[in-house]
Amino acid sequence: DAKTTQPPSMDCAEGRAANLPCNHSTISGNEYVYWYRQIHSQGPQYIIHGLKNNETNEMASLIITEDRKSSTLILPHATLRDTAVYYCIAPPTNAGNMLTFGGGTRLMVKP
Amino acid sequence: NAGVTQTPKFRILKIGQSMTLQCAQDMNHNYMYWYRQDPGMGLKLIYYSVGAGITDKGEVPNGYNVSRSTTEDFPLRLELAAPSQTSVYFCASSYGDGTGELFFGEGSRLTVL
Repeated sequence: DAKTTQPPSMDCAEGRAANLPCNHSTISGNEYVYWYRQIHSQGPQYIIHGLKNNETNEMASLIITEDRKSSTLILPHATLRDTAVYYCIAPPTNAGNMLTFGGGTRLMVKP
Repeated sequence: NAGVTQTPKFRILKIGQSMTLQCAQDMNHNYMYWYRQDPGMGLKLIYYSVGAGITDKGEVPNGYNVSRSTTEDFPLRLELAAPSQTSVYFCASSYGDGTGELFFGEGSRLTVL
């Protein structure tokens, strides 16, 4: 996998946007960036993925820089239930969907 | 769809005992995986399978065995349990079409004493 670097923890006020950064400076041109989250010891949950263009779905938005060396996951209106560990993953194209989950960012949404 | 179902949810083993963690998926996914997660850490891949009859080692396979006789089931066997195998085990599945979307079970918490 391309090495990804995330801050170990972040806080966010309830109702505000949570912006979670990820650095993946060694990413190759055809490697996707995936985001998962894990809520309190549950199984990880897929959020979103992207290659070059920004992506949005019902859960979040993914902003990828033009040079693809970093990305930001945006939760537009964070709720207490968004408190979780968020994983940014950039697997090699021949990984066969085998994802490596590192330390992630522990997001604490506070009232 | 039930998704990915793991059993048991909790289990306590004595050192040297053996057991099998069950995993079943009803989404007709080709790929299935077993991960373990130690407290405060990320997930580590134990074994994976790209289809019935095909399995391969992941990052931390020692002390475990798997089989994939059907598309739906992917059991993980622990032989001669050791305290180092105390962990939460997650099974996952995916289409294997390169989208990277894995569907996870709720986990099986194993304690070896």
